[in-house]
Amino acid sequence: GQSLEQPSEVTAVEGAIVQINCTYQTSGFYGLSWYQQHDGGAPTFLSYNALDGLEETGRFSSFLSRSDSYGYLLLQELQMKDSASYFCAVRDPHNQGGKLIFGQGTELSVKP
Amino acid sequence: NAGVTQTPKFRILKIGQSMTLQCTQDMNHNYMYWYRQDPGMGLKLIYYSVGAGITDKGEVPNGYNVSRSTTEDFPLRLELAAPSQTSVYFCASMISGRAGTGELFFGEGSRLTVL
Repeated sequence: GQSLEQPSEVTAVEGAIVQINCTYQTSGFYGLSWYQQHDGGAPTFLSYNALDGLEETGRFSSFLSRSDSYGYLLLQELQMKDSASYFCAVRDPHNQGGKLIFGQGTELSVKP
Repeated sequence: NAGVTQTPKFRILKIGQSMTLQCTQDMNHNYMYWYRQDPGMGLKLIYYSVGAGITDKGEVPNGYNVSRSTTEDFPLRLELAAPSQTSVYFCASMISGRAGTGELFFGEGSRLTVL
């Protein structure tokens, strides 16, 4: 089966940099996705890594190491609006329907 | 475009009642999904569909049913509601060509309480 592990909570101050880690165990692997969810609202897609390395999109970057079954989301120049839950997800490798398996999420609190 | 639209946004059910959560998308996505999210937890897949007339079970299908008669609509039916079904339900869609990126588009959720 597939499983993902993330820290349940992370706290950081405005303007700082924070890293949210995700380790996964899967019987096959297509790539790691990241989602953001504010206050229980609709999750929104942030990024996707299929290959090793860092992908940068503005203040957010995502990293993947396939050999270590590990990835992280890096948020720079933190703003109060970044307070949200962040989920990593992997695609079910045995299914052609694009099914995603989600981690339990990391709640990020940004303090002034 | 409206994206993924779910109704109702809130509902309270009594134990044993049944109801249908509606989901429609206007992006012509062929893949659609129902997830549930319990407080402080991640998203668990209930059912999914890869196209009209094709549905399959996810991780937690018991107590639910789905149908997919059109590309746009993917209703979720709760039969004989139980307190364990109190949750937030999210409908999502994906275009099959983007399945490799794991980019799902979610609705705003339907908050269901069973008393």
